[in-house]
Amino acid sequence: EVQLVESGGGLVQPGGSLRLSCEASGFIFSNYAMSWVRLAPGKGLEWVSGISAGGTTPIFADSVKGRFTISRDNSKSTVYLQMNSLRDEDTATYYCAKRITATGRSFDYWGQGTLVTVSS
Amino acid sequence: EIVLTQSPGTLSLSPGERATLSCRTSQSVDSSYLAWYLQKPGQAPRLLIYGASTRATGIPDRFSGSGSGTDFTLTISRLEPEDFAVYYCQQYGRSFYTFGPGTKLEIK
Repeated sequence: EVQLVESGGGLVQPGGSLRLSCEASGFIFSNYAMSWVRLAPGKGLEWVSGISAGGTTPIFADSVKGRFTISRDNSKSTVYLQMNSLRDEDTATYYCAKRITATGRSFDYWGQGTLVTVSS
Repeated sequence: EIVLTQSPGTLSLSPGERATLSCRTSQSVDSSYLAWYLQKPGQAPRLLIYGASTRATGIPDRFSGSGSGTDFTLTISRLEPEDFAVYYCQQYGRSFYTFGPGTKLEIK
């Protein structure tokens, strides 16, 4: 059974940093690209960042470019999202998501999410 | 950047009725990269349709997707109580993923 379990969320002040983790199981993690998607209160889904299966090709939404970095450790089946210079508008539930196939561009499995609150 | 527009914003229907949800893109997209998701409050999104028309694993056949170019449609043939939720379309292009703003399907 595929499982994605996020952790690392919490309350942080504006300008602060936080690192999210997503531990995967139930599939060959090193074969699949992964992404982070967020849901802000009262808003819709927003894709945040993605990383290729080998970890060599990170991509970012314009709203987080230069502030967030993404990485993965295939030996630990874990993908990370390092969030720096956090803003109020980064408050959201953050989900990690598995890409459906090597060539597909949709997400077939999602974690339950971890809540990030940016507030003074 | 490709912008996705979903309509209607809110759709009020009764169980057993047919639902038609629209997703329009600001420029033509590769239909193989168009997907639909459902999300209920407090839950993770769930993939319904990928490649514009292929049902994901375990999705009942009352859900169907169609369209190409800039116009895509998700149809639910006969609504079940568990179908009332928010629906998002999503596309990929030029190293960006984009979600539409969502359609809230509520019980009338």
